[in-house]
Amino acid sequence: EAGVAQSPRYKIIEKRQSVAFWCNPISGHATLYWYQQILGQGPKLLIQFQNNGVVDDSQLPKDRFSAERLKGVDSTLKIQPAKLEDSAVYLCASSARTGDNSPLHFGNGTRLTVT
Amino acid sequence: SQKIEQNSEALNIQEGKTATLTCNYTNYSPAYLQWYRQDPGRGPVFLLLIRENEKEKRKERLKVTFDTTLKQSLFHITASQPADSATYLCAWGGYNKLIFGAGTRLAVHP
Repeated sequence: EAGVAQSPRYKIIEKRQSVAFWCNPISGHATLYWYQQILGQGPKLLIQFQNNGVVDDSQLPKDRFSAERLKGVDSTLKIQPAKLEDSAVYLCASSARTGDNSPLHFGNGTRLTVT
Repeated sequence: SQKIEQNSEALNIQEGKTATLTCNYTNYSPAYLQWYRQDPGRGPVFLLLIRENEKEKRKERLKVTFDTTLKQSLFHITASQPADSATYLCAWGGYNKLIFGAGTRLAVHP
């Protein structure tokens, strides 16, 4: 099966600019996650979708971050305006189901550098 | 809040030896723990899952144990190879959440 696709692979922007990341999950996977991984840390959940509905966005900085999953398939994550501390790898993951210990399948992430 | 603690120091071992990585958690026992491998520049890859009512799980050269009394999981790689060098992440699962530790970097030397 094809894996989780993410683009772009790298992005460099200046602070206060905006940026968007795209994710295409594994076909048929109902649950989609966006994680932020700062260098030297583990992935931190930003938002979790079940089909096109939000299950958990409690750690999403909603004043600057937004995400959508149209038609329950692809998803975009946007940051506007970016801050220096947003420099991180943004990982998208999908799983067949939610809440029942299904393993997560991760993409290779987008490395964001904010200068 | 729930915390997952993994040894932040890199683990260096000789090829052929058994690598043992530790994952400790605070507060609530998880419904399950998952272990992932992450290579530089790549996303994590799922390796093993162990549920709260299981003591041990094996897959080829990998073994995971779970001790709810100690609030600890141990991850073992037997007959380690240089190709096993990577960062290994422990993830606490429960209440529809999956919370990751910071990972432990393993380096296997020939």
